[in-house]
Amino acid sequence: DSGVTQTPKHLITATGQRVTLRCSPRSGDLSVYWYQQSLDQGLQFLIHYYNGEERAKGNILERFSAQQFPDLHSELNLSSLELGDSALYFCASSVVVSDTQYFGPGTRLTVL
Amino acid sequence: GQNIDQPTEMTATEGAIVQINCTYQTSGFNGLFWYQQHAGEAPTFLSYNVLDGLEEKGRFSSFLSRSKGYSYLLLKELQMKDSASYLCAVSRNAGNNRKLIWGLGTSLAVNP
Repeated sequence: DSGVTQTPKHLITATGQRVTLRCSPRSGDLSVYWYQQSLDQGLQFLIHYYNGEERAKGNILERFSAQQFPDLHSELNLSSLELGDSALYFCASSVVVSDTQYFGPGTRLTVL
Repeated sequence: GQNIDQPTEMTATEGAIVQINCTYQTSGFNGLFWYQQHAGEAPTFLSYNVLDGLEEKGRFSSFLSRSKGYSYLLLKELQMKDSASYLCAVSRNAGNNRKLIWGLGTSLAVNP
């Protein structure tokens, strides 16, 4: 157990819908990272927050947004969902920027 | 630009030794990580190298040569549970930030 929690574990929804994925970092970690991993694909970095502020953006679509709250938990919002958004979404946390990242168990999103 | 190369697939026999290579090209190099990922699960941290040389951790060892842009992960006394994807990731300085660049992973199959 990495200490990073993610909810929900599974999510099934329809095209055009909007969902919110939640992540709680390890105690003491200030950085939160979001990744997308489609079937048999590599990890795609989406976005990084540090202590409530956005630090870096990767290949994140405009339909996706995220935020980190004062208690350091983070949410990833996915809207106008498409079939191609079906994937595993991982959250990772680290103490500071560029430190070792510890991953949560992931949320498996299925868009039908 | 930045680039990471690792073999897509490897097979090995239980009890044997396997070496998974990773080559990279990047500016602002700040260390190299190895992660293990079982199918459908989260990546788990294995090792971090920032200086040249070999780091040993039980059955797993990781080597880095910064001048050659090269690393390898050595797995000894292979067990069936070592069947997984092994991800190489390079940390690089980017302005006042640091970014992690992920390889696509090497899928290792351990056969009895």
